[in-house]
Amino acid sequence: KAGVTQTPRYLIKTRGQQVTLSCSPISGHRSVSWYQQTPGQGLQFLFEYFSETQRNKGNFPGRFSGRQFSNSRSEMNVSTLELGDSALYLCASARGLGRGQETQYFGPGTRLLVL
Amino acid sequence: AQTVTQSQPEMSVQEAETVTLSCTYDTSESDYYLFWYKQPPSRQMILVIRQEAYKQQNATENRFSVNFQKAAKSFSLKISDSQLGDAAMYFCAYRSGAQGGSEKLVFGKGTKLTVNP
Repeated sequence: KAGVTQTPRYLIKTRGQQVTLSCSPISGHRSVSWYQQTPGQGLQFLFEYFSETQRNKGNFPGRFSGRQFSNSRSEMNVSTLELGDSALYLCASARGLGRGQETQYFGPGTRLLVL
Repeated sequence: AQTVTQSQPEMSVQEAETVTLSCTYDTSESDYYLFWYKQPPSRQMILVIRQEAYKQQNATENRFSVNFQKAAKSFSLKISDSQLGDAAMYFCAYRSGAQGGSEKLVFGKGTKLTVNP
């Protein structure tokens, strides 16, 4: 079974631009979560989706948004990029919400550099 | 809010030896899950082991085992017969088990493990 895939793997953008990152979960997984990883702040939760509904959102400005499609694929968008948005963005999928379904499996990440 | 603390920023171990990584957490919940993830230089986050709080038995996965002390809110990872491929950043993570609760993982800051040949 294929793992979580994320595209693109690397991105270079300039301040003020916007970016869209994509995540395809493991087949059969309906839950997708996003995390931002930086050297200073570590791993921080961005959002989680289940069945196309955003269930929770982390403490990030409104420039960060996301969505999930009917096939469970998810995208996140960052508008008006700032230098501080440079990070590794990790996507994780899980089968569902119930006991035994909750383990999250991560993709390889998208490394975003904002110049 | 839940917090996860990894007090050892760096650890080193000799190949074939045993090493224990520490993790403590703070929560008022009684139902939750704990995880150890490994992040090698490739940055791919890999699940090492999972523990359900309501299970008293410590989880094991081959050379990896945990010492789960619920009352002390401690969740340490023991790596036996360390191999060069075990060198990585190790993250301890917490997830609520509450019905309808958030799926988000709360991570510690990580412990960088070096394996010396």
